[in-house]
Amino acid sequence: SQELEQSPQSLIVQEGKNLTINCTSSKTLYGLYWYKQKYGEGLIFLMMLQKGGEEKSHEKITAKLDEKKQQSSLHITASQPSHAGIYLCGADRGTSGTYKYIFGTGTRLKVLA
Amino acid sequence: NAGVTQTPKFRVLKTGQSMTLLCAQDMNHEYMYWYRQDPGMGLRLIHYSVGEGTTAKGEVPDGYNVSRLKKQNFLLGLESAAPSQTSVYFCASRPTRAFPVLTFGAGSRLTVL
Repeated sequence: SQELEQSPQSLIVQEGKNLTINCTSSKTLYGLYWYKQKYGEGLIFLMMLQKGGEEKSHEKITAKLDEKKQQSSLHITASQPSHAGIYLCGADRGTSGTYKYIFGTGTRLKVLA
Repeated sequence: NAGVTQTPKFRVLKTGQSMTLLCAQDMNHEYMYWYRQDPGMGLRLIHYSVGEGTTAKGEVPDGYNVSRLKKQNFLLGLESAAPSQTSVYFCASRPTRAFPVLTFGAGSRLTVL
């Protein structure tokens, strides 16, 4: 199993609906990063969360970090077709000389117009 | 300003053949990463480099080798390709340890028959 597990694996919503994607870590989280991938393209950075309890918003996307639960959530309000894609959470595992930057299992989002 | 460029974009190999994927960045970034993306698995880290002349193993390094002879290039090699290595490969880079946002290439789709 992977260190970062995302749920759900895939999601289909009607345009205008709200949705939440979760990312759970099996190890302590010191920071969590959200990326989006449009189909067939590379990843684009969305947001970073670096402190427990931190919450950030950009346009209609809000991300939160719960360090105690080792979880992060990404919430999209009033979804639009432009939100469709694959969302991945990432974590920088750099400790004691290792600098692994790993990603979650991904959530595929489809928004129906 | 090209960012991160991966070549080739598509490649079909027969089992047992060898090949090299090239990742080139023109941003003077220190850190570079190779990932593979498979359905339902998100991105998995293969190898990474924290500077010219350095390489380190990621989560799924078996069957791959890498080299970072020049700062701007990170090569991923498959010595004897297997069908299990059919995947989409992504390269990414970041400027320094302190900057946690990755810049990704557009991906290389590899099929091993």
